[in-house]
Amino acid sequence: GQNIDQPTEMTATEGAIVQINCTYQTSGFNGLFWYQQHAGEAPTFLSYNVLDGLEEKGRFSSFLSRSKGYSYLLLKELQMKDSASYLCAVSNTDKLIFGTGTRLQVFP
Amino acid sequence: DTGVSQDPRHKITKRGQNVTFRCDPISEHNRLYWYRQTLGQGPEFLTYFQNEAQLEKSRLLSDRFSAERPKGSFSTLEIQRTEQGDSAMYLCASSSPGQGPYNEQFFGPGTRLTVL
Repeated sequence: GQNIDQPTEMTATEGAIVQINCTYQTSGFNGLFWYQQHAGEAPTFLSYNVLDGLEEKGRFSSFLSRSKGYSYLLLKELQMKDSASYLCAVSNTDKLIFGTGTRLQVFP
Repeated sequence: DTGVSQDPRHKITKRGQNVTFRCDPISEHNRLYWYRQTLGQGPEFLTYFQNEAQLEKSRLLSDRFSAERPKGSFSTLEIQRTEQGDSAMYLCASSSPGQGPYNEQFFGPGTRLTVL
């Protein structure tokens, strides 16, 4: 079966750091993507991991442990515009299998 | 603008009617995907094409749903005899495997379907 779990909602304060976790159990694995989606808009690409370890991209970092079926997205120096849903997605053959998404609210 | 475009952006229909959505991918992308997203959920895969060939269909895609990509460029998704459970955002994405280190999918703005 295919199962991707992430927390439904998180809150954080402007300027803080937040970590969004994702665990997965899928029949295939070609990499893990993180997408950001603002309400009513299309998902936009944030990061990709296929090997274990940390990928850093400005204020955003993503980590993967394939043996544990675990990833996290780390957002630093939070800004109000980071309020959005964050989608964890596993690439299986050529399609993406998404989690339910984590809705992040950033407060001043 | 050279992104993925979808038309219409919103569609309201009555139960039992047929609807058709269109997706225009990024021009050099040979892969085109359809996903469905309901409120509070992540997108669910429906089907995808490589050029004009439909390579995979989800079990979610009942026989009321049909997708085409006749010339390997734009695609259409048709839903026949719509039901209230079909109300969702229908997202299209495109990609070009081999152009970069990973098969990043670029999403369009979606078509929001409401079935009354």
